[in-house]
Amino acid sequence: GIQVEQSPPDLILQEGANSTLRCNFSDSVNNLQWFHQNPWGQLINLFYIPSGTKQNGRLSATTVATERYSLLYISSSQTTDSGVYFCAALNSGGYQKVTFGTGTKLQVIP
Amino acid sequence: DAGVIQSPRHEVTEMGQEVTLRCKPISGHNSLFWYRQTMMRGLELLIYFNNNVPIDDSGMPEDRFSAKMPNASFSTLKIQPSEPRDSAVYFCASSSANSNQPQHFGDGTRLSIL
Repeated sequence: GIQVEQSPPDLILQEGANSTLRCNFSDSVNNLQWFHQNPWGQLINLFYIPSGTKQNGRLSATTVATERYSLLYISSSQTTDSGVYFCAALNSGGYQKVTFGTGTKLQVIP
Repeated sequence: DAGVIQSPRHEVTEMGQEVTLRCKPISGHNSLFWYRQTMMRGLELLIYFNNNVPIDDSGMPEDRFSAKMPNASFSTLKIQPSEPRDSAVYFCASSSANSNQPQHFGDGTRLSIL
């Protein structure tokens, strides 16, 4: 099956700093999702992005499907950004089989 | 709009007991997914339903696990008998079958088997 790798595995930021999280996937995908798992364990949709770039406030994402990677940008980080960020690839098969990466654990310190 | 609703939020029970987790998908969604999250294995897809029919249950760990979707608005994941290694957070997600629609997750059920 498809492999999804995320980097870095862990990241500590000073509040106000910017960061880039990366997601590589091993095969062609129909789509890609970014999630934020907050300290309470909730999985929050951030982006659903097959290609191109999307922005939502301080967050933006870019997927280059032909090169099999996606990037999540966090600007002016805040302590509420702490948590684990997952990317999830939707395969090109007949249904939405989703494979999650192992996540990037982000801690934003004041 | 109501999101995906899971119950209970937390469950603590002794090994050997039957455990039933419940999920109500978002109205209008016809795809439903059960996931399990552990420290060791991360997020794993257990089973996927489309229009109430199980399409892929290859992720179900063993015969102690079973899932049903009797109608479009309700699904259960049952573990019988439960074992300590089943302790995990179980998520339910739903989406439209159109592959261009995202999956929306419930808040999960944190299961502890003693």
